[in-house]
This record gives sequence, structure tokens and C-alpha cells, in this order.
Amino acid sequence: AQSVAQPEDQVNVAEGNPLTVKCTYSVSGNPYLFWYVQYPNRGLQFLLKYITGDNLVKGSYGFEAEFNKSQTSFHLKKPSALVSDSALYFCAVRALYNQGGKLIFGQGTELSVKP
Amino acid sequence: DTAVSQTPKYLVTQMGNDKSIKCEQNLGHDTMYWYKQDSKKFLKIMFSYNNKELIINETVPNRFSPKSPDKAHLNLHINSLELGDSAVYFCASSRSSSGNEQFFGPGTRLTVL
Repeated sequence: AQSVAQPEDQVNVAEGNPLTVKCTYSVSGNPYLFWYVQYPNRGLQFLLKYITGDNLVKGSYGFEAEFNKSQTSFHLKKPSALVSDSALYFCAVRALYNQGGKLIFGQGTELSVKP
Repeated sequence: DTAVSQTPKYLVTQMGNDKSIKCEQNLGHDTMYWYKQDSKKFLKIMFSYNNKELIINETVPNRFSPKSPDKAHLNLHINSLELGDSAVYFCASSRSSSGNEQFFGPGTRLTVL
């Protein structure tokens, strides 16, 4: 069965410091991996995805993520955090091809960036 | 321009009522989805339609019935509402069902009293 785990419910970072939000996955075959961000009372916004190719994927707002097949991880990173990055972050994996694009989401990680 | 829109944004209703949530996308996408986000922010897919055809139907009570009149619209009708149906419901769309990123609507917060 496919699954996604975000081991940290909350990550606290000082503004200007690097941030990492962790994600590990379990899926049969090659994974399609995604990161989304949800600001309060808003829908999810797509940040970046890994389908194939370079393990380091760059996305919106200066975020990037590194696909590590041996560790089955897809951690989200940013070199210098901003207060405006504070939000709820979701990692997701696409289920098998014949499941109609279904995304399986992690439980979310609340990122808090303090000035 | 709003890519994926939902109406209403808030819905407060009594147990036992029937209600609908509408979703429209103007992105020209072929695939649309309904997700439920519970009070702990956990997101779970409910339904997916591709070109007006149902392709995903998770184990959702049959009180929930999606309808897709055309590929730009996917509405969600809920009969006999229960307290446990209270949640935020998100509509989403993607270019196809084969791994493209999904674009989400702003959500509909349903409260059942």
C-alpha cells in the first residue's frame, strides 16, 4: 500500500535560517512526489514535483526538494526562511497509474518562522 | 482570474438536510477531484472524474453523490447530512489523471449542527 509520512507535526525556524520539512514515502514502482502549501483558510497551492530526472527539484517561492530513492525521502528545503513562509505543508505521492491520479497526502507539517 | 472556484465558501446547515457544493475550473483540465479535509487537517480523496466519467470512488457513503455536467464542472451533492460530515471540502483539477500537479479551489467549510 502507498503511504506518506511527515514525521514532524511542527517545525520552528528563525527568519533567515535554512529550513527543512521532512517527508518519507512508500510506493510500488517509481514515485511521483509533490509538495503543497496551505495558508490559513485557503486552498492548497502547488510548490513543486518530482517525476523523473534530477534528484534536486526547484519550485515556487525559493523552495526546493531532494528526492532520495535509497532513503525513500523527499524533504522540502529553503536556504533562508521568511516569516511569510509560515503555513501548513503537505507532501503527497501519486498512487499507481491505474488509480486515476489519486494523491495520497501526508498528515501535514506546520512551519512557523519567527522574526 | 480564478482557476478553480467553489461555491459556497461557507455552509451551515442542520442534520438531515440535503446540500450541494459547486465547483468550476477554467483551466481546460480533463480531470477533477473532491477531497475532504477533517478537523485535524488530514486530506483524503473522495472522488475523481476524467472527462465527465467517474474514475475514483473511495469508500465514501452513498449519501455523497458527485455530478459532472461537463468537464469544467464537478458538483458534490450530500443527502441526509450528519454531524461527521462537518469538514472543509476541496475541489481540484489537473490536466490529466496521469501525474500532473493538481490545482485546488479555496474550499467549502461545511458545518452540520
